[in-house]
Amino acid sequence: DQQVKQNSPSLSVQEGRISILNCDYTNSMFDYFLWYKKYPAEGPTFLISISSIKDKNEDGRFTVFLNKSAKHLSLHIVPSQPGDSAVYFCAALAPPRPLVFGKGTRLSVIA
Amino acid sequence: DAGVTQSPTHLIKTRGQQVTLRCSPKSGHDTVSWYQQALGQGPQFIFQYYEEEERQRGNFPDRFSGHQFPNYSSELNVNALLLGDSALYLCASSSWYRGRVMSGYTFGSGTRLTVV
Repeated sequence: DQQVKQNSPSLSVQEGRISILNCDYTNSMFDYFLWYKKYPAEGPTFLISISSIKDKNEDGRFTVFLNKSAKHLSLHIVPSQPGDSAVYFCAALAPPRPLVFGKGTRLSVIA
Repeated sequence: DAGVTQSPTHLIKTRGQQVTLRCSPKSGHDTVSWYQQALGQGPQFIFQYYEEEERQRGNFPDRFSGHQFPNYSSELNVNALLLGDSALYLCASSSWYRGRVMSGYTFGSGTRLTVV
């Protein structure tokens, strides 16, 4: 049973436009959500997070939105740049359980 | 300040063999978690070590075992390797505080294990 779902395996966006990556979860005990970015041959790198008591968190070009009632979060990247091309993982925490990951979405930003 | 380091980076083993992967956590971190990432999948939790004890375990057979040393570094051992064990093995370090792992998971670059 997958508790964190990323239903889009891939996404292509033009440079300068907005990228929106989506994530759904089933476990209502999750209280912290994270997005990780992964390049080939590297480990996941932390990008941005959000606590369940908030509905939005912004960091530069990256914004994460959380809709608790819908058990849905999204990552917005504006403007998208070619260097953003990577696999993005949504992850969630329900303490004391460990971090749970989705399957990832491969973002391609086309120049 | 070194982040999480894993060794080796790549490894090829034969079915039935045993393998040991190593991880040194980020400075200041005391908790090590191991994840397996198969091709096209997200990382799957194997187990987590804190104070040299296995604190939590995912849905992996007992062919997968681990150890944490007093300096917080850790090893992942896999016995009787199967073809399906081929994957990227990721180590993540973090800090333990009041019974929960803090959100600051830092990942290493992983060990790519190929079983032939």
